[in-house]
Amino acid sequence: DGGITQSPKYLFRKEGQNVTLSCEQNLNHDAMYWYRQDPGQGLRLIYYSQIVNDFQKGDIAEGYSVSREKKESFPLTVTSAQKNPTAFYLCASSILGYNQPQHFGDGTRLSIL
Amino acid sequence: QKEVEQNSGPLSVPEGAIASLNCTYSDRGSQSFFWYRQYSGKSPELIMSIYSNGDKEDGRFTAQLNKASQYVSLLIRDSQPSDSATYLCAVNLISGGYNKLIFGAGTRLAVHP
Repeated sequence: DGGITQSPKYLFRKEGQNVTLSCEQNLNHDAMYWYRQDPGQGLRLIYYSQIVNDFQKGDIAEGYSVSREKKESFPLTVTSAQKNPTAFYLCASSILGYNQPQHFGDGTRLSIL
Repeated sequence: QKEVEQNSGPLSVPEGAIASLNCTYSDRGSQSFFWYRQYSGKSPELIMSIYSNGDKEDGRFTAQLNKASQYVSLLIRDSQPSDSATYLCAVNLISGGYNKLIFGAGTRLAVHP
């Protein structure tokens, strides 16, 4: 089955710790995205990538980092510089093109211990 | 001004009625418009896309687009309790040669028996 797999489903971070959220897709999509969703709010773009070894900052990139070493994978690291990391993190992918919808993984819920 | 605006709701409709969800956007250059459904605690699911002025129907769903008024709407006919969810409007934005989706905060729909 083609799709987007995010892991883990739940993650807890200690103070001063970096944590990495995994996102893997087997849809052969070139573009991948990371969003953050806070309760009662819409999705805010953290980082996006349209090609391997290239990525762009979104609206709220501070305290986050990404890599795109393989087409299928786009991991997100939440660093200790992100002081309010508690949120629902969503990974999405799409075919390149302005008229292409994005498809989402099941998300990772991150909380502070 | 927010780039994509939606009424947060909740919009409460009786079972069998038509639910009307509205969205306005600020970028006149936007070409692609999407509606996503998000159940509580789950990730967004694409339900409709529309690119041209007018109506587009898919089953019980109709998307309506008016680019002159910068307005897109979603009608749900014969609403069912299973339609109770938050509906997110997303609009494409081309910035610096990259295509992004901008999401509204969503409208919460409650369909009561």
